Amino acid sequence: EVQLLESGGGSLQPGGSLRLSCTASGFPFRTYGMAWVRQAPGKGLEWVSVITGSGGMTFYADSVKGRFSISRDNSKNTLDLQMNTLRAEDTARYYCAKARGAGHYSNWFFDVWGRGALVSVSA
Amino acid sequence: QSVLTQPPSVSGAPGQRVTISCTGSSSNIGAGYDVHWYQQVPGTAPRLLIYGDNNRPSGVPDRLSASKSGTSASLTITGLQADDEADYYCQSYDASLSGWVFGGGTKLTVL
Repeated sequence: EVQLLESGGGSLQPGGSLRLSCTASGFPFRTYGMAWVRQAPGKGLEWVSVITGSGGMTFYADSVKGRFSISRDNSKNTLDLQMNTLRAEDTARYYCAKARGAGHYSNWFFDVWGRGALVSVSA
Repeated sequence: QSVLTQPPSVSGAPGQRVTISCTGSSSNIGAGYDVHWYQQVPGTAPRLLIYGDNNRPSGVPDRLSASKSGTSASLTITGLQADDEADYYCQSYDASLSGWVFGGGTKLTVL
């Protein structure tokens, strides 16, 4: 069974740092791009970051560029999101998602999702 | 404000047909990028419904279909059922933003 399990969520003050992890199982992890998508309380989905299967290419939403860093360890089937200089507006549930699609990464969609990790940033 | 615009809500009675629109621009849907659709029951993770404009993953009933034209796309659900009640999101890629974009979401209520 294909599964994604996030960990590392928590509550912290603005300006702090947090590292989320996602452990994947049930599929050839290194073959697929992976993504983080977040959802603020009562709001819609927002793409945060994507990393290619090899880890050689990374992409970030403008709202997190320069503050967040995505990485993966294909030997451990894990995906990470290092979040620095956190702001109140980063408060959200962060979903790990498996990317899939033919050809160029611009065709990618997200076919498997974890349950999410809750991050709360407040003074 | 989302790059892809969806109506905040739609509704229909059991057995009826509803359509959810997703309006983009020349830098995303209009540029030919694929549109994908997700369902999210409140309190749960999103679930992929349609990919590559109109392809259904296994397990998604053929009551659901999608289409795309110009800068817009739409998701149609026929034979509405109570368990279709959920939030629905469209997703594509935006060349101007160099990233993936979601619609703001549409809440479907089954009357």
